[in-house]
Amino acid sequence: LAKTTQPISMDSYEGQEVNITCSHNNIATNDYITWYQQFPSQGPRFIIQGYKTKVTNEVASLFIPADRKSSTLSLPRVSLSDTAVYYCLVGLGNTPLVFGKGTRLSVIA
Amino acid sequence: GAGVSQSPSNKVTEKGKDVELRCDPISGHTALYWYRQSLGQGLEFLIYFQGNSAPDKSGLPSDRFSAERTGGSVSTLTIQRTQQEDSAVYLCASSLVSRRLGDTQYFGPGTRLTVL
Repeated sequence: LAKTTQPISMDSYEGQEVNITCSHNNIATNDYITWYQQFPSQGPRFIIQGYKTKVTNEVASLFIPADRKSSTLSLPRVSLSDTAVYYCLVGLGNTPLVFGKGTRLSVIA
Repeated sequence: GAGVSQSPSNKVTEKGKDVELRCDPISGHTALYWYRQSLGQGLEFLIYFQGNSAPDKSGLPSDRFSAERTGGSVSTLTIQRTQQEDSAVYLCASSLVSRRLGDTQYFGPGTRLTVL
């Protein structure tokens, strides 16, 4: 599976837009890009998935440039409840996932 | 519909005892995965079941770990002769495998195992 690199931590104030960028230089042609959110003492929760260009759902947007070597998760107007660890993964969805350390987002009032 | 469920939510055991952890995947999901997460760490893949195929056991850390999936649904992860380093949160996930790439894995709440 392609290795991903993302910032270890980020801080943001409530109400701001947060962008978390993930690098995946070795992404394969068939790989999808998926982001998960994990709160303490809970299992990861699927946020968004994309293959190319832009994907938007009720929670977030995912921007993927043409070369697909990186992706950016955008969380609009974060609140305190968005404080969590965010994982970027690449690969086929129906194979075991390889999780990195993720990005610990802290939202400050 | 119901999500992935796991039981027990917490398990405390003594070193050397055997434990069984249960996972009920989402109905209709053909793929089932076990991961574990040690304190402050990312998730570590353990084992993967897909339909009637032989499971992918490549992530199991030792022969004390085993898992089975009965009837293509419920799965049990067994750890024999538990050690303190087995203490972790054990997470189960399931996905609906189709010919479409990018199927999403849905995780259960996990079982927190503490080995004293």
